Amino acid sequence: ETGVTQSPTHLIKTRGQQVTLRCSSQSGHNTVSWYQQALGQGPQFIFQYYREEENGRGNFPPRFSGLQFPNYSSELNVNALELDDSALYLCASSLQTGGWEQYFGPGTRLTVT
Amino acid sequence: AQSVTQPDIHITVSEGASLELRCNYSYGATPYLFWYVQSPGQGLQLLLKYFSGDTLVQGIKGFEAEFKRSQSSFNLRKPSVHWSDAAEYFCAVKAGGFKTIFGAGTRLFVKA
Repeated sequence: ETGVTQSPTHLIKTRGQQVTLRCSSQSGHNTVSWYQQALGQGPQFIFQYYREEENGRGNFPPRFSGLQFPNYSSELNVNALELDDSALYLCASSLQTGGWEQYFGPGTRLTVT
Repeated sequence: AQSVTQPDIHITVSEGASLELRCNYSYGATPYLFWYVQSPGQGLQLLLKYFSGDTLVQGIKGFEAEFKRSQSSFNLRKPSVHWSDAAEYFCAVKAGGFKTIFGAGTRLFVKA
């Protein structure tokens, strides 16, 4: 059974650019959530996808968007990058949308210059 | 609104000493509570969880936590800390069907 994987590990982008981060869920998990963790902070919930539909969103602007594919892998897209978007982005999968346990990937470190 | 407070930004304990990390939550109903650990540059690893039943829960790596409804607390404890326990610890509450709210974390330093 493979765990949650994320790519790339690190990424450097320039303000105003767009970025796509990828996540592969743990085998059998149909729900994925994305979190932003700024330096020195706890993770902040961005949104959750269940069976390819967004079914919950935190306090993030529309330039943060996502996709979930039929194999339950997922993408996080951020448009018009701002300096404050620099953070560790974590993906977490769970067995169902109300699933109690989430399994986290190692994260993607995004730096916006 | 739901929230999680970890009052201690960082804590230093000697190796072999006992540890208690504090967590207070704000949530109207009985919450689902979690403790996660994060090593530098890594994702989050679940230490333990509380859903219902026995208010003292056991987790991995020798950690335990106690749910106290009257105090809205879910403190993490370990009787004897090892140098490898040095990391960031996050308390979290699952609020509603999909959203997990994390505290700001407590960084644990272990001195020899």
